Amino acid sequence: NAGVTQTPKFQVLKTGQSMTLQCAQDMNHEYMSWYRQDPGMGLRLIHYSVGAGITDQGEVPNGYNVSRSTTEDFPLRLLSAAPSQTSVYFCASRGPKGAFFGQGTRLTVV
Amino acid sequence: TQLLEQSPQFLSIQEGENLTVYCNSSSVFSSLQWYRQEPGEGPVLLVTVVTGGEVKKLKRLTFQFGDARKDSSLHITAAQPGDTGLYLCAGGATNKLIFGTGTLLAVQP
Repeated sequence: NAGVTQTPKFQVLKTGQSMTLQCAQDMNHEYMSWYRQDPGMGLRLIHYSVGAGITDQGEVPNGYNVSRSTTEDFPLRLLSAAPSQTSVYFCASRGPKGAFFGQGTRLTVV
Repeated sequence: TQLLEQSPQFLSIQEGENLTVYCNSSSVFSSLQWYRQEPGEGPVLLVTVVTGGEVKKLKRLTFQFGDARKDSSLHITAAQPGDTGLYLCAGGATNKLIFGTGTLLAVQP
């Protein structure tokens, strides 16, 4: 099993650019989430989904959009990148035994 | 809003020493989880505790859930360099898992 796959692993964007971070899971989990991790801030929830077609905002949703057209995929879109969005982004899929994370995307906005 | 506070934030110890990491909240959680994260990787689940007072052991790691289900601790016996990493506690609803700020552990050989 691949588990949770995130792409890309690294990305540099210019301020104002848009991009999509991809996330796919092969565990048939209903629950998926996006977190950002900043030094001293821990993991903060951006958006989450409880199943295909259903998404909701987390703690820090501004500047990000998500969609969940299938159980497997949960992409995160940055609409107009800002330096404050420089961070490491993690996608997670949650099942009965806990949450499983991707390897992360290190995003730098210049 | 449920919050999880972890202490200490940083811990640097010598190989062979014992240590305890704490996770505290003013809220009651139905369960708490502990994760370890290594540099450049995502967090990896270590254990889930669900019953107040529960103790779980994973080799040299002992996890305890407080009786009131508001706190948890992680005790490592005879720490090894391979235990180095960021330890995170997490809790909350299935669809809104929240994380503590973490304890960064460095075990020196």
